[in-house]
Amino acid sequence: EAQVTQNPRYLITVTGKKLTVTCSQNMNHEYMSWYRQDPGLGLRQIYYSMNVEVTDKGDVPEGYKVSRKEKRNFPLILESPSPNQTSLYFCASSLASGEETQYFGPGTRLLVL
Amino acid sequence: QKEVEQDPGPLSVPEGAIVSLNCTYSNSAFQYFMWYRQYSRKGPELLMYTYSSGNKEDGRFTAQVDKSSKYISLFIRDSQPSDSATYLCAMSGRRNTGKLIFGQGTTLQVKP
Repeated sequence: EAQVTQNPRYLITVTGKKLTVTCSQNMNHEYMSWYRQDPGLGLRQIYYSMNVEVTDKGDVPEGYKVSRKEKRNFPLILESPSPNQTSLYFCASSLASGEETQYFGPGTRLLVL
Repeated sequence: QKEVEQDPGPLSVPEGAIVSLNCTYSNSAFQYFMWYRQYSRKGPELLMYTYSSGNKEDGRFTAQVDKSSKYISLFIRDSQPSDSATYLCAMSGRRNTGKLIFGQGTTLQVKP
């Protein structure tokens, strides 16, 4: 089954404790992205990657890191989480050709205390 | 000012009604326009994809783009309770860059 998976789905942590949210896709997509979704603000892109070892900042990259060492994986790293990073996070992937169809993962709900 | 503006609603309609959802945008470079549907506790899924101005129809859904007014719409005919969801518009300036700008989403409830 074609899908984007994220882990963990729910996470409660404390300020300053490094965490990683994993994202994996099995569709051989070139593009992968991370978004955060907040009430009243919609989906905002954090980082995106056009291929292995190629990443670029989205609209709200501060406080986040990403890496793309393999085509299928695109982890999101919060080196020192803060309460303002409490949000719902989505990973997405898409092909480099054809229509701009982004396939979204199920989401990771993060609470930073 | 946000690049993409979308009324968050909520919008409540009776079953069978025609629903009109809209977004306005400020960046004239946007050429690719999408509508995503997001059910509660799920990730968004693509509903419609259009390029430049004009209409595109898919079953009960019609997407409309008016680039001169910087305005896009999604119409849902014969709305069903299963259409109850949040609808997000999204757009980009170049094809397949992986970079999309989303509206904040409109919450729709279709009552039986």
